[in-house]
Amino acid sequence: QSVLTQPPSVSGAPGQRVTISCTGSSSNIGAGYDVHWYQQLPGTAPKLLIYGNSNRPSGVPDRFSGSKSGTSASLAITGLQAEDEADYYCQSYDSSLSGSHVVFGGGTKLTVL
Amino acid sequence: QVQLVQSGAEVKKPGASVKVSCKASGYTFTSYYMHWVRQAPGQGLEWMGIINPSGGSTSYAQKFQGRVTMTRDTSTSTVYMELSSLRSEDTAVYYCARDGYCSGGSCYSDVIDYWGQGTLVTVSS
Repeated sequence: QSVLTQPPSVSGAPGQRVTISCTGSSSNIGAGYDVHWYQQLPGTAPKLLIYGNSNRPSGVPDRFSGSKSGTSASLAITGLQAEDEADYYCQSYDSSLSGSHVVFGGGTKLTVL
Repeated sequence: QVQLVQSGAEVKKPGASVKVSCKASGYTFTSYYMHWVRQAPGQGLEWMGIINPSGGSTSYAQKFQGRVTMTRDTSTSTVYMELSSLRSEDTAVYYCARDGYCSGGSCYSDVIDYWGQGTLVTVSS
């Protein structure tokens, strides 16, 4: 299983707000490492959605926001649109006795009802 | 504009090796580390390792230690990922992905800004 834990799926109606959680531990998110979020549309490469816990790259709508607290992080999407239906992944960095490396969450499939 | 163009799909038999290439353009090749990430069918993203195109140093995920080799050719701005002793569970799309994002004077590492188009590697007897 993944080092970072995400719910397998979330859903919401158009216009609603949904959140996706990303739970880590003291060796990754809790150690102060940044959390980043990616959106992957079907059949395409992932796209950077949120970097540095809460920052949006240019071109990403402000309907997307990120936050981090303790050993967890969250991605919130407001004003849900049909085009938001995709897989979402959180990513951070992990440093432990077994080494230091990039880690991903297992991914969350967002369904727009 | 930044582009990462990967080599085409591969079909390999169990036990064989595969070498995937990723040609970078639109930026200074040696200024950004490059990750390799794979995605099995219907599954999530899995980090495999990272290479520094400047000096060639690498760091691999423990899972792939001993089976993966990442190299680079600075003359052609290309990075390579070779995976050996292939098994059916290695069937996946393999992505190269550029590390680093800078904005407003701040730069972040261990974040991926650009991805290649992906290379499907199928391992089947």
